[in-house]
Amino acid sequence: ETGVTQSPTHLIKTRGQQVTLRCSSQSGHNTVSWYQQALGQGPQFIFQYYREEENGRGNFPPRFSGLQFPNYSSELNVNALELDDSALYLCASSPAHGAREELFFGEGSRLTVL
Amino acid sequence: AQKVTQAQTEISVVEKEDVTLDCVYETRDTTYYLFWYKQPPSGELVFLIRRNSFDEQNEISGRYSWNFQKSTSSFNFTITASQVVDSAVYFCALTLLTGGFKTIFGAGTRLFVKA
Repeated sequence: ETGVTQSPTHLIKTRGQQVTLRCSSQSGHNTVSWYQQALGQGPQFIFQYYREEENGRGNFPPRFSGLQFPNYSSELNVNALELDDSALYLCASSPAHGAREELFFGEGSRLTVL
Repeated sequence: AQKVTQAQTEISVVEKEDVTLDCVYETRDTTYYLFWYKQPPSGELVFLIRRNSFDEQNEISGRYSWNFQKSTSSFNFTITASQVVDSAVYFCALTLLTGGFKTIFGAGTRLFVKA
């Protein structure tokens, strides 16, 4: 069983640029969530996707957007990058859509904004 | 407002010591789920346990045990006879049924277990 995979693992961008991060959910998992983890902090919820629609969003501006595809994989897009966007971006999938479902995390994409 | 507080930023113990990681949460919702996750030094977060708000029964799994007390809004995690492999960052998390099943994480407690 393949776990959650994310790409790229590391990337460096400059302020104002745009970035796309990709996530393949664990086999059979239909719900994908994205989190931002700043250094020394806990993950912060960005948004969740279920059946290709956004289903819940944290306190992140509209320049953070996403997609979920029919195969349940997902993308996180961030426009107009700011220095504070430097963080580890975590994708998590869950086997069903519900509050009781545990999250299965990928290893993350570390974004550095210069 | 919903919040998870892990007051202990770092804990250092010697192998075989017992250690308790504290977690206090805030929510006005009556139905919710609580979780603990482990993040090893180089690896992804891994699920450890889930508790729903109506189940205050404590749980033991090997050297791990969890104490959920709704009256104090706490969900503490104890490792008995700690081992070096327990060294990691541990996160407590709260998931609500409203707002798209948003999961709120605490800031984490970094546990160092020395040989």
